[in-house]
Amino acid sequence: AQSVSQHNHHVILSEAASLELGCNYSYGGTVNLFWYVQYPGQHLQLLLKYFSGDPLVKGIKGFEAEFIKSKFSFNLRKPSVQWSDTAEYFCAVKAGTYKYIFGTGTRLKVLA
Amino acid sequence: EPEVTQTPSHQVTQMGQEVILRCVPISNHLYFYWYRQILGQKVEFLVSFYNNEISEKSEIFDDQFSVERPDGSNFTLKIRSTKLEDSAMYFCASSEGQNPRRTDTQYFGPGTRLTVL
Repeated sequence: AQSVSQHNHHVILSEAASLELGCNYSYGGTVNLFWYVQYPGQHLQLLLKYFSGDPLVKGIKGFEAEFIKSKFSFNLRKPSVQWSDTAEYFCAVKAGTYKYIFGTGTRLKVLA
Repeated sequence: EPEVTQTPSHQVTQMGQEVILRCVPISNHLYFYWYRQILGQKVEFLVSFYNNEISEKSEIFDDQFSVERPDGSNFTLKIRSTKLEDSAMYFCASSEGQNPRRTDTQYFGPGTRLTVL
């Protein structure tokens, strides 16, 4: 079955700490992978995406993610988080032509 | 930067009533989508729409739901007879549609919070 797993539901970090959020997917076809961020009271914003090519993709606001096909993973990283990164982060896989399948999300709280 | 917009931001309705949620996709986009997020749960795909017809729908999208593009700019989701379990945040999204099978990226609106009493 198609699915996306985000194992960290809540993460609390201090400013300047490094961040890694896990994402594993289960999908048999060609994978297109995404990370979205949802700041409090705002809509889902695209952070970065992977379609093909270099498995290390860089997104906005200093985020990057690495696609590891052998591990079915697409983990999100940031070397030094800021208070303004407090948000909920969603990993998604494009399943088929149209629909996205989302993970349950990870709530990140960054302490100033 | 163009954005997907949705109205209203919050809708409160009584069980059994019909609601229409409205979305204005990005103007040059051809594919439109609705997703929902029940509080505390994951974002779930409901339906995709292209060329004035449904291209894919999930098992959640039953006969109580319908979508329409009534004019050149709006895209609506109608729930005919709301149930308590329809309470959720409903997100509209759109994509360019140049290559939907591969590289299309969906852009999401801010959502409409539907509360069914």
